[in-house]
Amino acid sequence: EPEVTQTPSHQVTQMGQEVILRCVPISNHLYFYWYRQILGQKVEFLVSFYNNEISEKSEIFDDQFSVERPDGSNFTLKIRSTKLEDSAMYFCASTRREETQYFGPGTRLLVL
Amino acid sequence: AQSVTQLGSHVSVSEGALVLLRCNYSSSVPPYLFWYVQYPNQGLQLLLKYTSAATLVKGINGFEAEFKKSETSFHLTKPSAHMSDAAEYFCAVSEGYSSASKIIFGSGTRLSIRP
Repeated sequence: EPEVTQTPSHQVTQMGQEVILRCVPISNHLYFYWYRQILGQKVEFLVSFYNNEISEKSEIFDDQFSVERPDGSNFTLKIRSTKLEDSAMYFCASTRREETQYFGPGTRLLVL
Repeated sequence: AQSVTQLGSHVSVSEGALVLLRCNYSSSVPPYLFWYVQYPNQGLQLLLKYTSAATLVKGINGFEAEFKKSETSFHLTKPSAHMSDAAEYFCAVSEGYSSASKIIFGSGTRLSIRP
């Protein structure tokens, strides 16, 4: 069964450093998303991406965040200058229209 | 904006007992509704999805949920709990009228199973 994959599974970084989280969505999906879950809290929507542009973003998704689909398979989330409060589990998801969003296993980001 | 409320951050039941996890949604228009499960240190797995085709939705692992418009509820049940059901359960709603819309999650309910 096709699945969304994410790399790395864990990342530790120093405050102020840039990180790139990578996702490979399911191959025939057209809509892509990033969500995050701060430890002990609910899962929150960050951004959705369709047709090579952001279709919606939350207030969390400020200028420090960016997304890109650099080729036909990868979907990345970049945090330019990480803050302590960026520590969270980041989930990628993808879907085709009128289907379920499939979530990846997540990347646990720890900012020190 | 859509929202869901999960009653009870922690539910504990005995093995073999009925599992009931409560969820209420905010909208007057039936949206897409979901239940996701998260096992320790793992990602989100879809248990079931309501799409207005039927009010009783059957999911994986013996779980089901009933959509009740009059009560704006979408409670999750399982007749007999198993130790492997111990996990965090999230009720969620689609923000728009498409399942491609962003998903709004509830705060989650941690299910513990007593031997």
